[in-house]
Amino acid sequence: DVKVTQSSRYLVKRTGEKVFLECVQDMDHENMFWYRQDPGLGLRLIYFSYDVKMKEKGDIPEGYSVSREKKERFSLILESASTNQTSMYLCASSGSYLTGELFFGEGSRLTVL
Amino acid sequence: SQQGEEDPQALSIQEGENATMNCSYKTSINNLQWYRQNSGRGLVHLILIRSNEREKHSGRLRVTLDTSKKSSSLLITASRAADTASYFCATLKDKGAQKLVFGQGTRLTINP
Repeated sequence: DVKVTQSSRYLVKRTGEKVFLECVQDMDHENMFWYRQDPGLGLRLIYFSYDVKMKEKGDIPEGYSVSREKKERFSLILESASTNQTSMYLCASSGSYLTGELFFGEGSRLTVL
Repeated sequence: SQQGEEDPQALSIQEGENATMNCSYKTSINNLQWYRQNSGRGLVHLILIRSNEREKHSGRLRVTLDTSKKSSSLLITASRAADTASYFCATLKDKGAQKLVFGQGTRLTINP
């Protein structure tokens, strides 16, 4: 089975802190994604990557950056966390960018105080 | 912006009944997918239907797609308490940026 592992299920950070959310997949997928999920807004795409060292902005990239140094790992970085970044963050991977299903991790619930 | 809009936002039925959820979208698509999310967990892929398909089945799931109306429906037959979850449709546009866009979901509650 495909496994997508997010490093932390729950995090509490303070405003201004730098935050790293790590995601690792074990199926050699080229494509990886970061979404955030908020009540009433559904899932919104932050960034995605279709190859090592490649990245593309999603719908809401402001305040975030990403890193993909190895194929299996895709990191989401909040350079200076703010309270409006309190959310559930979901990582996903896909073997087929255009037609394939997404495999999601369990999510990381981030609270910024 | 959200491509898919689910309807209803919440649905509560008795165990054994059928549950129907609808999804509407705005632009032409390559495919439409349905996902399920248990409370506080990640999403799990249920079924994918391509733009040239009209109906697809998987176990107790039946998905229809009407590209002329830009809508899809997910039917869960003989519902069980374990089907309680949120259900999301996601669309892949056939032009432009190739990324899945999710709707806001339908919260389904199955009462025993």
